[in-house]
Amino acid sequence: NAGVTQTPKFRILKIGQSMTLQCTQDMNHNYMYWYRQDPGMGLKLIYYSVGAGITDKGEVPNGYNVSRSTTEDFPLRLELAAPSQTSVYFCASSYFQGTYEQYFGPGTRLTVT
Amino acid sequence: GQNIDQPTEMTATEGAIVQINCTYQTSGFNGLFWYQQHAGEAPTFLSYNVLDGLEEKGRFSSFLSRSKGYSYLLLKELQMKDSASYLCAGAILKNNTDKLIFGTGTRLQVFP
Repeated sequence: NAGVTQTPKFRILKIGQSMTLQCTQDMNHNYMYWYRQDPGMGLKLIYYSVGAGITDKGEVPNGYNVSRSTTEDFPLRLELAAPSQTSVYFCASSYFQGTYEQYFGPGTRLTVT
Repeated sequence: GQNIDQPTEMTATEGAIVQINCTYQTSGFNGLFWYQQHAGEAPTFLSYNVLDGLEEKGRFSSFLSRSKGYSYLLLKELQMKDSASYLCAGAILKNNTDKLIFGTGTRLQVFP
C-alpha cells in the first residue's frame, strides 16, 4: 500500500491564480481530511469527508472547496489564491478501528506571492 | 470554544525522561490524540486516550484526566531521534468521525 499520497510536493502560485491539490489513499478509508499548517503552528482542519459524496466544513474553510466523487480521492481546490494561503497542506484518512486514528500524507508546501 | 494548550519548546538529555503536558477545553470531547512530527515531515500517530488513566506503549506513555482537562505524554530513555514536535489533539465526534483540534505543538530537542 502506498498509503496517502499528495501531489504536488511544492508549488508557487501568483495572487489570484487557481490550483487543485490532489490527495489519494489506497487503504479504502471512508474518512478523509484536509489540514493546513502554518509555520510554528498546529494543524487546522479545512474540510473533511465521511464518504463519497459527503463533505463538511472544518475550522478554516474560507477560500477552499472540496469534492469527493470516489472513496480514494479528495482534491482541495483554491480558486483565487491569496498570500494568507501560504502554508503546508496535509491530507489525511482514517477508518474506525477503535479510534479514528488518522494517517497523513507527506504534505504540499504552497507559496502564494 | 475549543482550546488546546501545550508548551512551545522543551529540551532534554539523551537517556532522560521528559513529560509534555497538554490542557484542553473542547465540547463534545471524544478522546485525546498525540502525534509526533519530525521537521518537514507528516505527523505520525503515537497514542489515543479516551478513558482516564495511563496507556503505555514501549518507551512512550500517555495519560488522561477528563475531569481536569489534562493529558501528558511521557517519553522514557530519550534518544536523539526523539527530537521532533509533539502535537496534542482533542477529538470531537461529529458525523461519525473525529474532528481533531490541534495544539500548536511542543518542539522537543534532545541533546547528547
